Amino acid sequence: EVQLVESGGGLVQPGRSMKLSCAASGFTFSDYYMAWVRQAPKKGLEWVASISYEGSSTYYGDSVKGRFTISRDNAKSTLYLQMNSLRSEDTATYYCARPPFAYWGQGTLVTVSS
Amino acid sequence: DIQMTQSPSSMSVSLGDTVTITCRASQDVGIYVNWFQQKPGKSPRRMIYRATNLADGVPSRFSGSRSGSDYSLTISSLESEDVADYHCLQYDEYPPTFGSGTKLEIK
Repeated sequence: EVQLVESGGGLVQPGRSMKLSCAASGFTFSDYYMAWVRQAPKKGLEWVASISYEGSSTYYGDSVKGRFTISRDNAKSTLYLQMNSLRSEDTATYYCARPPFAYWGQGTLVTVSS
Repeated sequence: DIQMTQSPSSMSVSLGDTVTITCRASQDVGIYVNWFQQKPGKSPRRMIYRATNLADGVPSRFSGSRSGSDYSLTISSLESEDVADYHCLQYDEYPPTFGSGTKLEIK
């Protein structure tokens, strides 16, 4: 059974950093691209970033480009999202997903507030 | 970026109704459209993939269709468990883009 379990969310001040993790199981992690998708409170879904099988290619949404970094550790079957220079508009539930988005984690809430 | 214009934003429905939600793509995305159901506090659940294919475990009252750049999700004989938010997604090219969502509410 495919499982994706996010962790690392919480309350953070504007301008600070936070790193999210997503532990994957039930499939061969290195065989799949992986992605982060977020959802601000009471809003729609927004794709954040994707990463290729070995991590050599990464893709970012315009709203996070230059501030967020997606990475992966295939030996640990874990996906990461390093978030720097956080803003209030980054407040959202962050989901780890396996493209083409058949599988999603339960989400982790990031709140950016002073 | 490809825009997915989703309508309606909300619908007031009755149990047993047939419900259709539509997304219009701003450019050709082929068959690369998914539909998701999302209930409060839960992760999205893929219902339809590649525009017309029913995902595993999804009831047959759900169906997906395509007419040109218009993609539709239809729920026949709506049941109470179908009351949720629904989202479309195109993943033909980067960046993947979602529609703005449709909220189904009971009359």
